[in-house]
Amino acid sequence: DTAVSQTPKYLVTQMGNDKSIKCEQNLGHDTMYWYKQDSKKFLKIMFSYNNKELIINETVPNRFSPKSPDKAHLNLHINSLELGDSAVYFCASGRGYEQYFGPGTRLTVT
Amino acid sequence: RKEVEQDPGPFNVPEGATVAFNCTYSNSASQSFFWYRQDCRKEPKLLMSVYSSGNEDGRFTAQLNRASQYISLLIRDSKLSDSATYLCVVSPNQAGTALIFGKGTTLSVSS
Repeated sequence: DTAVSQTPKYLVTQMGNDKSIKCEQNLGHDTMYWYKQDSKKFLKIMFSYNNKELIINETVPNRFSPKSPDKAHLNLHINSLELGDSAVYFCASGRGYEQYFGPGTRLTVT
Repeated sequence: RKEVEQDPGPFNVPEGATVAFNCTYSNSASQSFFWYRQDCRKEPKLLMSVYSSGNEDGRFTAQLNRASQYISLLIRDSKLSDSATYLCVVSPNQAGTALIFGKGTTLSVSS
């Protein structure tokens, strides 16, 4: 059983395009997150949602817009993609302090 | 000063060796502490939580020193399968907030 799933696993696209990444968790957690891991492997929070409500929005360009249709889903839409957006994006969910990560989406912008 | 600092390594050790990783954090109000493991091109996975009293899970021992804001991980009798990046992780001040990750320490265990 997959606890936190993300689609797609790989995404290759050109600059200027708009793309979405989907995330679903079946753990019953109230809180979901998006993290970005850059080419230097540094993992950093982007957004956090609790019960469909945005609670953390780090310094992320407003081209990135998270959407949570229900507490089991947190999608990430990115407009006008730039070369610097190339990274691995991890979705996570948690209850309390422990978090469980999805397999990641490797985004390459050309 | 970075929020969570780790020696990036790499640490190259033979099978059976004991290896220790250290980490410091800057926010004295941090509440919870963890070690995560990340294999190449995979997601981070929780290895163990870290408590002030120290805790052990098989060959792995984690220690926390709140006064020094210092966290450690000791791996005894290293196995080839221990090769991975070990991430020191801090949770600021309440459940549900984002985790703060160190950049990770890379361990390579060879036969």
